[in-house]
Amino acid sequence: DAGVTQSPTHLIKTRGQQVTLRCSPISGHKSVSWYQQVLGQGPQFIFQYYEKEERGRGNFPDRFSARQFPNYSSELNVNALLLGDSALYLCASSFGSTSSGANVLTFGAGSRLTVL
Amino acid sequence: GENVGLHLPTLSVQEGDNSIINCAYSNSASDYFIWYKQESGKGPQFIIDIRSNMDKRQGQRVTVLLNKTVKHLSLQIAATQPGDSAVYFCAESPSWGKLIFGQGTELSVKP
Repeated sequence: DAGVTQSPTHLIKTRGQQVTLRCSPISGHKSVSWYQQVLGQGPQFIFQYYEKEERGRGNFPDRFSARQFPNYSSELNVNALLLGDSALYLCASSFGSTSSGANVLTFGAGSRLTVL
Repeated sequence: GENVGLHLPTLSVQEGDNSIINCAYSNSASDYFIWYKQESGKGPQFIIDIRSNMDKRQGQRVTVLLNKTVKHLSLQIAATQPGDSAVYFCAESPSWGKLIFGQGTELSVKP
């Protein structure tokens, strides 16, 4: 079975540009979460989506937005890129229920964004 | 603010020894904790989890201990192998889908 897949794996942008990152969850998973991991730090929560609705948002500016599609895949958009947006962007999926084990997030390999 | 922190940023052990990685958390309302392993160039990989109604849980070569009194979490790896070399993160989950990660501990296994 395929795990969480993300694209692109690497990309380079310049300040002020916009970027869209894509994520396909594990088959059967209905919840997708996005995390930003700056080099040398732990991942930081950006968004969580479940059944196409936003269920949680971290402390990130409005330049960050996301959506989830009917097939449960998701996109993360970042507008007006800043140098500080350079990071590994991780997508994670889970079943999304309150049952035991449903909180286990399975992460993709990430999209490494470099802003010049 | 709420955060999960690690006591040691780096840990070096001899192959075959046991490893212990420690973590402190600050949100007493958290009821679910997870350990992840992250190798270079990869996303975090689930190792083991524990709910707050337990104080110990064992997996294959790994054990997680939870001390709610002092808000402390630890990961024990038995018979550490070179393949265990990675950065280890503890995380607390205040709600499903959201994890608060610590900074991480880099484990280095010497042959």
